Amino acid sequence: KAGVTQTPRYLIKTRGQQVTLSCSPISGHRSVSWYQQTPGQGLQFLFEYFSETQRNKGNFPGRFSGRQFSNSRSEMNVSTLELGDSALYLCASSLEGLAGLAKNIQYFGAGTRLSVL
Amino acid sequence: QQQVKQSPQSLIVQKGGISIINCAYENTAFDYFPWYQQFPGKGPALLIAIRPDVSEKKEGRFTISFNKSAKQFSLHIMDSQPGDSATYFCAASIGRDDKIIFGKGTRLHILP
Repeated sequence: KAGVTQTPRYLIKTRGQQVTLSCSPISGHRSVSWYQQTPGQGLQFLFEYFSETQRNKGNFPGRFSGRQFSNSRSEMNVSTLELGDSALYLCASSLEGLAGLAKNIQYFGAGTRLSVL
Repeated sequence: QQQVKQSPQSLIVQKGGISIINCAYENTAFDYFPWYQQFPGKGPALLIAIRPDVSEKKEGRFTISFNKSAKQFSLHIMDSQPGDSATYFCAASIGRDDKIIFGKGTRLHILP
């Protein structure tokens, strides 16, 4: 069974640009979550999508947005990039939800490393 | 109140020794405490998890100890091996649909 696939693996952008990251979940998984990982802040939850609807949202500005398609694939968009947006962006998928039940174990992709110059 | 505080930031242990990573939380509503292991260039992977109704859970060389009254939990890696060298994250969540709050991670290095 293929794991969570994130593309691209690396991105270099300049301040003010926008970027779109892609995530293909494990087949059959309906929940996709996005996280930002930085050395200073660790792993921070961005948002979760389930059946094409945003179900949970972290404390990030509106420049960060996402969507989920009918095949559960998800995209994350960051507009008006800032230097502080440089990070590893991780996508995780699970069968139905975020945590607490064995069937809701989150499986992470390898991430997209975004550098903003 | 939503924070999970993890220590130490980095840890060096001799091969065969015991690695101990500690976490503390404030929100007593948390009811699920997973630990994740992350190797360089990879995403985190669930290692072991515990609920607050048990005080200890063991899977192979990995053990979670949970102290509900102190609001603390820890990961013990027995007989630590160089292959255990990775970054470890503790985490906590509420219910099946809530977001997972991660600690800031511990970089573990096992000396050969």
